[in-house]
Amino acid sequence: DAGVTQSPTHLIKTRGQQVTLRCSPISGHKSVSWYQQVLGQGPQFIFQYYEKEERGRGNFPDRFSARQFPNYSSELNVNALLLGDSALYLCASSWDRGPEAFFGQGTRLTVV
Amino acid sequence: AQKVTQAQTEISVVEKEDVTLDCVYETRDTTYYLFWYKQPPSGELVFLIRRNSFDEQNEISGRYSWNFQKSTSSFNFTITASQVVDSAVYFCALSPPNAGKSTFGDGTTLTVKP
Repeated sequence: DAGVTQSPTHLIKTRGQQVTLRCSPISGHKSVSWYQQVLGQGPQFIFQYYEKEERGRGNFPDRFSARQFPNYSSELNVNALLLGDSALYLCASSWDRGPEAFFGQGTRLTVV
Repeated sequence: AQKVTQAQTEISVVEKEDVTLDCVYETRDTTYYLFWYKQPPSGELVFLIRRNSFDEQNEISGRYSWNFQKSTSSFNFTITASQVVDSAVYFCALSPPNAGKSTFGDGTTLTVKP
């Protein structure tokens, strides 16, 4: 079975632009969470979606939004990109609302 | 609020040495989960272990072992007979039981020299 897959793997954007990151959970998993990992730090929780509903939100500005589709895949959108948004964005999935254990390889976003 | 502290920023050992990575956590929840992940340079977080707060039994998996002590809020990870392939950043994480919103420590970078 495929693991958690994320696309794209790398992305370069300009300040002020918008970006969409995609995540496909492990087959059968209904929960998807998004994390931001800045260089040298641990991942920080952004969102959790379960059964297409938002179940949790971390301390991130409204420029960050997400959604989950009927097939349980998910998108993370970031508007009005800032240099500080440069990070590795990780997606994780689990079969229920509980804590996830399985992460994708991440999308490395660079804002210039 | 939940907090995870990994006091060791970097550890360097020579191959075949044993090494212990420390993790101390804070939470007001009575039920919670603890995790350890390995992050190689490729970036993917590799799941190593999940432990719930009611299970204080220590666990051994090959060269890896974990010591969970609720009394001291610690969940330490030991690698026995380290190998160069163990070089990576290791993260400890804490999560409430009903939500996928883990709190991570800042990681410990382990370098194993041949």
